[in-house]
Amino acid sequence: SQKIEQNSEALNIQEGKTATLTCNYTNYSPAYLQWYRQDPGRGPVFLLLIRENEKEKRKERLKVTFDTTLKQSLFHITASQPADSATYLCAPKTRDDKIIFGKGTRLHILP
Amino acid sequence: DTAVSQTPKYLVTQMGNDKSIKCEQNLGHDTMYWYKQDSKKFLKIMFSYNNKELIINETVPNRFSPKSPDKAHLNLHINSLELGDSAVYFCASTRQGSGEQYFGPGTRLTVT
Repeated sequence: SQKIEQNSEALNIQEGKTATLTCNYTNYSPAYLQWYRQDPGRGPVFLLLIRENEKEKRKERLKVTFDTTLKQSLFHITASQPADSATYLCAPKTRDDKIIFGKGTRLHILP
Repeated sequence: DTAVSQTPKYLVTQMGNDKSIKCEQNLGHDTMYWYKQDSKKFLKIMFSYNNKELIINETVPNRFSPKSPDKAHLNLHINSLELGDSAVYFCASTRQGSGEQYFGPGTRLTVT
């Protein structure tokens, strides 16, 4: 069955450092992969989308990579700030048009 | 202006009741979704509608029935509520082909 794993449930990073979150998927080849941010009590907010033919995408302090051979996406936040603390969800899109969300990684940026 | 809105935000009800959650989007999107996020925070797709037509219907009990009166609205009706239905339900919308989904604020349903 199709499966998504995000590296850890929680990650603590010192302010100013780069936070790196991992998303691994098995048993399918997504056409694209998205990353969302979710704050407590709120709906997910779209951050970045990367397609299967793209290796890397950037948006301000955010960078996403997509390795279809390793079946993995990495999500980086550089110069992290306490305001970046949230849960980050990986969401690959299947060929039959479904977006499957990972369980998320709770990121804590420590001041 | 709110892009995707849901009502109510909180819903507390007893087992066996029937309830509805409403969703509206003012983004002009043609595809709308319902997701369920359980206590373990796992976000699972339930239904997807494109131009008022049901596209995705995951393995959801038939007590759940979505209804799309027009492209801007997708409501969720739940019959004979059970304890296990307690969760946060999110509505989302997207423009077909875009991928990027816009989520509503969620409806926290508590069944007692």
